[in-house]
Amino acid sequence: GAVVSQHPSWVICKSGTSVKIECRSLDFQATTMFWYRQFPKQSLMLMATSNEGSKATYEQGVEKDKFLINHASLTLSTLTVTSAHPEDSSFYICSARSRPTYEQYFGPGTRLTVT
Amino acid sequence: QQPVQSPQAVILREGEDAVINCSSSKALYSVHWYRQKHGEAPVFLMILLKGGEQKGHDKISASFNEKKQQSSLYLTASQLSYSGTYFCGTEAGPNNNDMRFGAGTRLTVKP
Repeated sequence: GAVVSQHPSWVICKSGTSVKIECRSLDFQATTMFWYRQFPKQSLMLMATSNEGSKATYEQGVEKDKFLINHASLTLSTLTVTSAHPEDSSFYICSARSRPTYEQYFGPGTRLTVT
Repeated sequence: QQPVQSPQAVILREGEDAVINCSSSKALYSVHWYRQKHGEAPVFLMILLKGGEQKGHDKISASFNEKKQQSSLYLTASQLSYSGTYFCGTEAGPNNNDMRFGAGTRLTVKP
């Protein structure tokens, strides 16, 4: 099956620093990649959608300048949390949509803790 | 707009069956089903793209009623490994790229 990787799996950083999370589709080309955020025992909340080579589309209420998304290629998207604060601590999950099948696969997630 | 899932939680004995429903107030183009175990990312189960479509794998199957804007996931002869939270994701169009997830259904299978 299709594999999506995320790196790192977890990160602890100090308030005010920036953190970059990578999302890669390993064995397929992803027309679109998505970034979600999930709080404990809650559903996945879509943050933004990115297409290769174009600007990301952010959901209402998500700060573009705080959550920078770069979709450099058909297999790589990055999310940078800038000037992180404790309230940004969460589980961030990316997913990638397979071009021919339309199926969407999730990465293993990155747990961010801001101290 | 998020789809509505029901029930919120269900507890089964091994071997019993369960049905999880997902409904939307908007017209649907696709319905995606995932299972998530604690601390892990959601795992893709299946996608339904056409109204009236039904799919299955092993003892898990799903149907999509386009007219009623709803989908159901059927778990037959449940196994312990079926435990987890099931999410449905829905999209209104083929190029929307804005899948919204329901609140999830927590399924617990006991021996």
